[in-house]
Amino acid sequence: DTEVTQTPKHLVMGMTNKKSLKCEQHMGHRAMYWYKQKAKKPPELMFVYSYEKLSINESVPSRFSPECPNSSLLNLHLHALQPEDSALYLCASSQDTGRSPYEQYFGPGTRLTVT
Amino acid sequence: AQSVTQLGSHVSVSEGALVLLRCNYSSSVPPYLFWYVQYPNQGLQLLLKYTTGATLVKGINGFEAEFKKSETSFHLTKPSAHMSDAAEYFCAVIASFQKLVFGTGTRLLVSP
Repeated sequence: DTEVTQTPKHLVMGMTNKKSLKCEQHMGHRAMYWYKQKAKKPPELMFVYSYEKLSINESVPSRFSPECPNSSLLNLHLHALQPEDSALYLCASSQDTGRSPYEQYFGPGTRLTVT
Repeated sequence: AQSVTQLGSHVSVSEGALVLLRCNYSSSVPPYLFWYVQYPNQGLQLLLKYTTGATLVKGINGFEAEFKKSETSFHLTKPSAHMSDAAEYFCAVIASFQKLVFGTGTRLLVSP
């Protein structure tokens, strides 16, 4: 099973709202990722968790707050977003973040619209 | 720093024709390279990967890619295009600590 699930599929939120995106994998992977993808662009890395610890933050604004409650779950908490944050948010997982070239498996994404 | 360049933002082929999507890499160390496909409004699906060993890599859906160190290339090919192959294709390279760096993508259009 190489499935990564994400909920919700679509999310519309106002700039004053607080919402969360959820990601889950049951492949035993120890690394999980959040990417942001704007229309007609490649995904851009936001955060990397390795063994439930934040290992990479690509200078993401603090209105995005990641959380990794356990090795299977990854959340992205959203607060006071801007319209330019509207995008497809992709979650991915891989075996770990060591020097071995483990492939990343992606979820279907959450389409976020900020109004 | 590792990076990849995809030549051609759009490639159009007829159904049954050869598919060739180009990717060149830049890396100071042996690269780990991937091709992903993204269908409209979906996530990314891994097509194939090159790590070490055999330079001709076979993937899913009849795709394959050849790693050519002398040309710093990792082009994706499929002998016969199918309508269902129409999608966005991304070449990617692993930078440090599993950070995936993507190319700008190539949209494959398949006409009947």
